Amino acid sequence: GAVVSQHPSWVICKSGTSVKIECRSLDFQATTMFWYRQFPKQSLMLMATSNEGSKATYEQGVEKDKFLINHASLTLSTLTVTSAHPEDSSFYICSARDLVGAANTEAFFGQGTRLTVV
Amino acid sequence: AQSVAQPEDQVNVAEGNPLTVKCTYSVSGNPYLFWYVQYPNRGLQFLLKYITGDNLVKGSYGFEAEFNKSQTSFHLKKPSALVSDSALYFCAVRDGGATNKLIFGTGTLLAVQP
Repeated sequence: GAVVSQHPSWVICKSGTSVKIECRSLDFQATTMFWYRQFPKQSLMLMATSNEGSKATYEQGVEKDKFLINHASLTLSTLTVTSAHPEDSSFYICSARDLVGAANTEAFFGQGTRLTVV
Repeated sequence: AQSVAQPEDQVNVAEGNPLTVKCTYSVSGNPYLFWYVQYPNRGLQFLLKYITGDNLVKGSYGFEAEFNKSQTSFHLKKPSALVSDSALYFCAVRDGGATNKLIFGTGTLLAVQP
């Protein structure tokens, strides 16, 4: 299947600083990328849907000013956690779908990023 | 709204025995159903999907799933479990909106004992 690379795989940052997470589709073009957050032993919570060249669509309850998403190209989307606090510590996962994907195509996921805010 | 339910938080099975991980769905229109597996501290790996056609779908690593329209179920199965199958399994349905985002179940932890 297609490869989605997410970087970094883990990061520790101080409270109040910002952290950027990158999500790249390595062998396909992704018009749409999705950002999820996963708490321990829980399911994936969709945070936002990122479309290349346009503003991200955030799910209800997700602060867009805190979780900045940029999707400047068909192969790269970034999530920046601004002014991070310990409660932002979580596992963040991105996924991407092929440019020509329709409803019947699967999404491919990055490896995830473990963020710890101290 | 589309949704999936995974009624079991955990499934325990002995190595070599058949396994089933349950999933039921609720959709309006045609269901597009998926199974993913997650190993610790990793992203999700695609296992298989049902779009249309045969009700029995075969996927990666020897897994298969049976689509049952009358019972609105899409259970994941494998004839003979391996210890290495131990992981977190997610059922998902495609939302019918413009972005076609995935709606995930709560996940089922599969533990295969040697």
